[in-house]
Amino acid sequence: AQKVTQAQTEISVVEKEDVTLDCVYETRDTTYYLFWYKQPPSGELVFLIRRNSFDEQNEISGRYSWNFQKSTSSFNFTITASQVVDSAVYFCARPIMDSNYQLIWGAGTKLIIKP
Amino acid sequence: DTGVSQNPRHKITKRGQNVTFRCDPISEHNRLYWYRQTLGQGPEFLTYFQNEAQLEKSRLLSDRFSAERPKGSFSTLEIQRTEQGDSAMYLCASSQTGSSNQPQHFGDGTRLSIL
Repeated sequence: AQKVTQAQTEISVVEKEDVTLDCVYETRDTTYYLFWYKQPPSGELVFLIRRNSFDEQNEISGRYSWNFQKSTSSFNFTITASQVVDSAVYFCARPIMDSNYQLIWGAGTKLIIKP
Repeated sequence: DTGVSQNPRHKITKRGQNVTFRCDPISEHNRLYWYRQTLGQGPEFLTYFQNEAQLEKSRLLSDRFSAERPKGSFSTLEIQRTEQGDSAMYLCASSQTGSSNQPQHFGDGTRLSIL
């Protein structure tokens, strides 16, 4: 099976706390891409990052950072100094093996940032 | 860049009726995707177009569903003889030409409710 697992259904933290969202994927590919998307209450899915499996360096973009661990098939997402506007559902996704374009998605993690 | 546009935003109809949704992708994007999303789940791939050609179609897509992209620009998704289980958010996305695994950019979706 080619699953993407986001085991955390919902996380609630107080503003300014750091929070990490987990993503574990299954793959038999040697080369693959991984994605994170954000879905705020308004509903539109917003692209956050695309990562190639060749590049195992961590990525940082402002308060967002991503930790890619090929050995454990994980691609975790950390928000530092969280803000109320970060409240959303976050999805991890990857293309399925026999398709270049079909994305398979995790079930999402609902992140609630309390003021 | 005006983003992906979907119409209507909401559709309420009685069981058994036909419905049609429209998606206008980002103008320079030649790839277009349809997804379905139910509450608490990640998007589920339905179909994919490159220009006017429908290249991939999910096995989950029953014969009641059909999608077109006649001129390689906007696309329509039609559901015939709607059923209660068709109630969901229908999402459209588009991506650039070039290598596979380009990020997909999503519209706001069309929420379908079957009475």
